Amino acid sequence: AQRVTQPEKLLSVFKGAPVELKCNYSYSGSPELFWYVQYSRQRLQLLLRHISRESIKGFTADLNKGETSFHLKKPFAQEEDSAMYYCVILTGGGNKLTFGTGTQLKVEL
Amino acid sequence: NAGVTQTPKFQVLKTGQSMTLQCAQDMNHEYMSWYRQDPGMGLRLIHYSVGAGITDQGEVPNGYNVSRSTTEDFPLRLLSAAPSQTSVYFCASRDHGNYGYTFGSGTRLTVV
Repeated sequence: AQRVTQPEKLLSVFKGAPVELKCNYSYSGSPELFWYVQYSRQRLQLLLRHISRESIKGFTADLNKGETSFHLKKPFAQEEDSAMYYCVILTGGGNKLTFGTGTQLKVEL
Repeated sequence: NAGVTQTPKFQVLKTGQSMTLQCAQDMNHEYMSWYRQDPGMGLRLIHYSVGAGITDQGEVPNGYNVSRSTTEDFPLRLLSAAPSQTSVYFCASRDHGNYGYTFGSGTRLTVV
């Protein structure tokens, strides 16, 4: 069965510092991976998808199949980046999202 | 275009009561899902649907029923509420060609 692990419940960084949110996955097939973000009092929204290789709001994530990782990175944290971040794998023919437990990012001034 | 709309936003039930959480989307999405969010556990899939008339179980389906009579609506029914069903419930949808899901704002349910 698929599994997503986010080892950090809370990550606190200073504004302007680099950010790396860790994500490891286990899945026997070819993974479809995403990062979703939930800002305070807002709904979950898609941040980025591995296959698109886009940079959204300065965030990037590279799929490393050898290490089964999909870490989320940003070179310079901003205060508005404070939110809950979920690493997610899509399986079941595109019907099932399996979420990690989430990492709360807090950017301090 | 309202996206995914969930009602109610908050609900308190007594143990044993039944209720229906409503979910509607106006994007003509084929795929719809229900998730529950519990502290320290992320979101877990309850039920999902790949189109009108087609539903299937997710990871934690016990105690919940769904139906999909139209493309737009995907209600979640709690048959006999239990304290273990206290959670935040999210409905999500996507269309056939786009793997990114759109989420509703959630329903916070407390069972006492």
